[in-house]
Amino acid sequence: GAGVSQSPSNKVTEKGKDVELRCDPISGHTALYWYRQSLGQGLEFLIYFQGNSAPDKSGLPSDRFSAERTGGSVSTLTIQRTQQEDSAVYLCASGTPNTGELFFGEGSRLTVL
Amino acid sequence: SQQGEEDPQALSIQEGENATMNCSYKTSINNLQWYRQNSGRGLVHLILIRSNEREKHSGRLRVTLDTSKKSSSLLITASRAADTASYFCATNTGTASKLTFGTGTRLQVTL
Repeated sequence: GAGVSQSPSNKVTEKGKDVELRCDPISGHTALYWYRQSLGQGLEFLIYFQGNSAPDKSGLPSDRFSAERTGGSVSTLTIQRTQQEDSAVYLCASGTPNTGELFFGEGSRLTVL
Repeated sequence: SQQGEEDPQALSIQEGENATMNCSYKTSINNLQWYRQNSGRGLVHLILIRSNEREKHSGRLRVTLDTSKKSSSLLITASRAADTASYFCATNTGTASKLTFGTGTRLQVTL
């Protein structure tokens, strides 16, 4: 596609349920990032992929959070046993290491009731 | 932890005025980038300045970088109502390393 695509755009779930968020990066982009943004706040780094490997997953808040990337393309971020504090917009971005510039998706807004 | 801190947190100006936002960071960088975010949307890349550059221009945008002070500024000249958005600086400490974002400046441009 022309840009980074994220789904779902909105997700409302009950506390304790698992959720999966998907990111489809720009074709050919080897770098893929997940960030989290709470209302009115800055971006909190979660995890970075280069190809299918994750050289930096230092931002994942707890072991309830995991992410994978397959085929050097699509990535899924999974949150198990969701908590209310997980409510935020989850942003995905892709890019190439040489340029440094990132292209962002529109985000997945997660609300945990 | 945040690598970059923007100043001011919020800025309100009238259309036609210039807007200046500052960013300070803590560690040595490979490059510094500025992004814009409209309310409820993803971020859009504005400009990238490398550590060996001191100033860069793109249309109405002017970015400066002072590595000795670990700071950068973004100047938007002749602002328009459509410039209303949040602006974030982001630093990259090396190739294939993560991009760390600052806390952002909310700019409001009124008619």
